[in-house]
Amino acid sequence: DAGVTQSPTHLIKTRGQQVTLRCSPKSGHDTVSWYQQALGQGPQFIFQYYEEEERQRGNFPDRFSGHQFPNYSSELNVNALLLGDSALYLCASSLSPDQPQHFGDGTRLSIL
Amino acid sequence: LAKTTQPISMDSYEGQEVNITCSHNNIATNDYITWYQQFPSQGPRFIIQGYKTKVTNEVASLFIPADRKSSTLSLPRVSLSDTAVYYCLVGENSGYSTLTFGKGTMLLVSP
Repeated sequence: DAGVTQSPTHLIKTRGQQVTLRCSPKSGHDTVSWYQQALGQGPQFIFQYYEEEERQRGNFPDRFSGHQFPNYSSELNVNALLLGDSALYLCASSLSPDQPQHFGDGTRLSIL
Repeated sequence: LAKTTQPISMDSYEGQEVNITCSHNNIATNDYITWYQQFPSQGPRFIIQGYKTKVTNEVASLFIPADRKSSTLSLPRVSLSDTAVYYCLVGENSGYSTLTFGKGTMLLVSP
């Protein structure tokens, strides 16, 4: 049973570009959350998707957007990249309210 | 959301028991306490969760006093592979909740 998978594992972009990160949740999980983890910091919540809609959002600008597909997979899009967007982007999925969230190993995004 | 405070780092040796304490003075009645472990270049991994008293699983124990203003994660007989960052989180017991992470505790286990 595959866990949460994310792609790509590493990515290098330049300022002003746009990026799309992908996440496949653990089998059967219908809720996907995205987190940003800067170096030396804990993960920070970006947003959560359920039934193809954004249900909750953290304190991130509109440059950060997402999408969830009918098969529950999800994408995170970031426009007009800034140097400060360099981070590990983590995806987490959950099956039900009484089960803990499962994290993927993230996409390491570097902005030059 | 209740704020948590935990030591920035801890050192230990193989075979010792490690106790990491987390302070959460403003914990709400409905809040649970959850601990995650994170290795470099990996996502956080759920360790244990509890509401009160003591919870034990195959990996760790979680001790929560009656006032619930703090909690202690206990790792028995640590090995080198337990070197990681440990996060204490406080919030609703829901897989749909947004998780609020602090900076965590960097545990270094030496031979």
